[in-house]
Amino acid sequence: TQLLEQSPQFLSIQEGENLTVYCNSSSVFSSLQWYRQEPGEGPVLLVTVVTGGEVKKLKRLTFQFGDARKDSSLHITAAQPGDTGLYLCAGWDLTGTASKLTFGTGTRLQVTL
Amino acid sequence: DTAVSQTPKYLVTQMGNDKSIKCEQNLGHDTMYWYKQDSKKFLKIMFSYNNKELIINETVPNRFSPKSPDKAHLNLHINSLELGDSAVYFCASSRHGAPQPQHFGDGTRLSIL
Repeated sequence: TQLLEQSPQFLSIQEGENLTVYCNSSSVFSSLQWYRQEPGEGPVLLVTVVTGGEVKKLKRLTFQFGDARKDSSLHITAAQPGDTGLYLCAGWDLTGTASKLTFGTGTRLQVTL
Repeated sequence: DTAVSQTPKYLVTQMGNDKSIKCEQNLGHDTMYWYKQDSKKFLKIMFSYNNKELIINETVPNRFSPKSPDKAHLNLHINSLELGDSAVYFCASSRHGAPQPQHFGDGTRLSIL
């Protein structure tokens, strides 16, 4: 079973601060996605990274896929209260009979004024 | 327009009862999923259907029986509910294959008394 560990589990910061969330595994994934989930809603896709070493930017969010495709990071610059939510990394596993998405353990981010 | 809708949003019932959760998507996707999110927010795949055919069954107890009458619908029936079944169940859909974005419903919170 492939596992994705995220750190930190919880993060409470003030508006304007920077932060990084890490997603680590001992397994290689063909690609990796990041989702954000708000209370009472389902996860919503933020980004997909496919190539080892790939970096993608989404406004103040920067996503990186590790060279060996075993880990990823999400960096948020100048966090805002609207960034509050549960961040989930998810790796695509193609080793079985059908491709499936394995989710990470999650990072809860709270940004206060 | 709601892309992936699931009903009911809340389900409170007693141990031993049988219940169903319905899911519909209007995105034209050919693959649908059921996920379970536990109290620690860990999201784990249960089932995946492609064109009404079961392609992933993640060793879920056979008290859980998914049914896909057509590509736009994937329902989940649970027999003999147990305390450990308390969780939020999410339906999702996507185009077939990796790394397609998964579109989630807003979840059904199942509470077993």
